[in-house]
Amino acid sequence: DAGITQSPRHKVTETGTPVTLRCHQTENHRYMYWYRQDPGHGLRLIHYSYGVKDTDKGEVSDGYSVSRSKTEDFLLTLESATSSQTSVYFCAISEGLRGYTFGSGTRLTVV
Amino acid sequence: SQQGEEDPQALSIQEGENATMNCSYKTSINNLQWYRQNSGRGLVHLILIRSNEREKHSGRLRVTLDTSKKSSSLLITASRAADTASYFCATFTGNQFYFGTGTSLTVIP
Repeated sequence: DAGITQSPRHKVTETGTPVTLRCHQTENHRYMYWYRQDPGHGLRLIHYSYGVKDTDKGEVSDGYSVSRSKTEDFLLTLESATSSQTSVYFCAISEGLRGYTFGSGTRLTVV
Repeated sequence: SQQGEEDPQALSIQEGENATMNCSYKTSINNLQWYRQNSGRGLVHLILIRSNEREKHSGRLRVTLDTSKKSSSLLITASRAADTASYFCATFTGNQFYFGTGTSLTVIP
C-alpha cells in the first residue's frame, strides 16, 4: 500500500516473549493507528498517535504499548505475548477527517 | 460499543446483479466511510459521506446516509467478480474511527 509499510508481514513467537511490530509512513501524516482484526470482532483500535511522542489508548490496549519517536514510525510492542494476542495487526494513517490508509497487515501467531 | 453493524453478514450474488449492504450505528457522527478488504490485504477506502449529506456517488458505488435512523447503505451496481471482498463501514466520532464487523460479498461469475 502506497506510503505505508508494516514489518514483519508474518511472525510466529512463543508465549511470554516480547514482540515489536513496526509501521513506517512516507506521507508525513500526523495521525497513526494500530488495529487488530479478529473474526467476529471486526477491527478494534489498540493505540493511536496524534504526533511525535503523543499517544493514547484505544479500546483494547491492555498488554500493548506504543512509541512514536519520529513522525514516520509508530511501533507496537506486546510486552509479554499471549495466545489471545494471535491476530492480524493493521497500521493506518490519516490526516484529519479524511479516510484511513491502511498497511498490508502483520499476521502474528503466538504459540 | 460505538461500532457500526453491517447487515447482512454475508451476501452472495451473480455477476451483473446489484449488491446492497447496510450499516447501523449508535452515536452521532461527523462522517461515515466505507472500506473494502480483499482477502489477506489491508482495508481500502472507498467513499466518505459527511453527516450533512444524504447521498453520494462514486463510479458504480452509491452511498446513502440517514442520520435520523443512524443508518447508511452501500449499493454496488452491475457487480463484477472482482468486487468479491469484505465491506466495512466506519463512523468517525470524537477523534477516531469505529469499524463494524463487515459484510462478506461473493460475486459469482
